[in-house]
Amino acid sequence: QSVLTQPPSVSAAPGQKVTISCSGSSSNIGNNYVSWYQQLPGTAPKVLIYENNKRPSGIPDRFSGSKSGTSATLGITGLQTGDEADYYCGTWDSSLSAGQVFGGGTKLTVL
Amino acid sequence: EVQLVQSGAEVKKPGESLKISCKGSGYSFTSYWIGWVRQMPGKGLEWMGIIYPGDSDTTYSPSFQGQVTISADKSISTAYLQWSSLKASDTATYYCARTNYFGSGSSDYWGQGTLVTVSS
Repeated sequence: QSVLTQPPSVSAAPGQKVTISCSGSSSNIGNNYVSWYQQLPGTAPKVLIYENNKRPSGIPDRFSGSKSGTSATLGITGLQTGDEADYYCGTWDSSLSAGQVFGGGTKLTVL
Repeated sequence: EVQLVQSGAEVKKPGESLKISCKGSGYSFTSYWIGWVRQMPGKGLEWMGIIYPGDSDTTYSPSFQGQVTISADKSISTAYLQWSSLKASDTATYYCARTNYFGSGSSDYWGQGTLVTVSS
């Protein structure tokens, strides 16, 4: 069971918008930056969002991130079939089990 | 260009030892933390631990403390993950990732992954 909670799956049609939620607690999301990672089938994860809402160079502005309290959200607009992937939120936890923590992952299907 | 290149896939028997590697290039290897992440077949990401190659300062996840050893050789810009006695449950893909431990907290560059299969 993951420290951060994500929906197992979301789906939407090409061109539409989807959001993926990530819920945590005051020991992790509440007091640390959140990152989002995309893992295309058979490949390594890639960072999409860091520091809650910043995009690395090369990441299109169709991807956005936000954080409020102990939850974070990834938004993807103008969905493309190439966006089909697993998405993970990640942050750090300052509790006894301190370290980097991830959500269980959300499988995005573009119908 | 920042790159992390991991060693190739391994097939081992239970009880055997193993050391996999992650070689960094394109940046100052001693200035960034390197984390290790496990992904079991069909499952999510699990953080195992992290090392600062500059001084080999290492922190382990409680879940992996005592189960693996993380090390680094800064002279050849390489981090390692090793097991002294593998179990079938160690079958997974292992990723190294450059991690901004005291900054953004994000892992901004990832290796391609090393698949470890443990089977009798």
